[in-house]
Amino acid sequence: NAGVMQNPRHLVRRRGQEARLRCSPMKGHSHVYWYRQLPEEGLKFMVYLQKENIIDESGMPKERFSAEFPKEGPSILRIQQVVRGDSAAYFCASSPAGGAYEQYFGPGTRLTVT
Amino acid sequence: SQQGEEDPQALSIQEGENATMNCSYKTSINNLQWYRQNSGRGLVHLILIRSNEREKHSGRLRVTLDTSKKSSSLLITASRAADTASYFCATDYNQGGKLIFGQGTELSVKP
Repeated sequence: NAGVMQNPRHLVRRRGQEARLRCSPMKGHSHVYWYRQLPEEGLKFMVYLQKENIIDESGMPKERFSAEFPKEGPSILRIQQVVRGDSAAYFCASSPAGGAYEQYFGPGTRLTVT
Repeated sequence: SQQGEEDPQALSIQEGENATMNCSYKTSINNLQWYRQNSGRGLVHLILIRSNEREKHSGRLRVTLDTSKKSSSLLITASRAADTASYFCATDYNQGGKLIFGQGTELSVKP
């Protein structure tokens, strides 16, 4: 019974490159959330997706960031033209439904921009 | 900002002692959740308490919720060195799924 999978676990990108972070939710979960954790800070919500739909993207920066959760395959968080300030841990979580359910978190992807 | 506050920010205790962490939030909630994060790792869900519940237990963990004071507490009894981690409270503030996290309490349990 695999949990939430994220890959890669560590990603190093130079300024200006693109970063693609992948998340496979737990089996049977159709709701995916992305959060970002800056050093020494708590988690900040970025985006909430269901299959083929963005439900809430109120936490996404207006530019360079996008997310998708296609009908088949993992959810992808894409960061274009990365800058040093994008260096952080990015966590994905999934739940069986939206609303008042616990969310199950993946191990995170640690992005370092050099 | 709807982000709640947790206190203390850091707590250092000896093995065997109890640890209490507090969380305050801003507006009405459906539920409040507590998570643990070991250094450099993902979050582990500990307990979810609904707004109509006052207390919930899970092993050595006890969570209370006081909706009149908009606060919750997490008590870890008979702490162990393995309990050393950061603890976060989080709620969706009735907004349908996205969690707003507190800043966390960093607990250190010394053997």
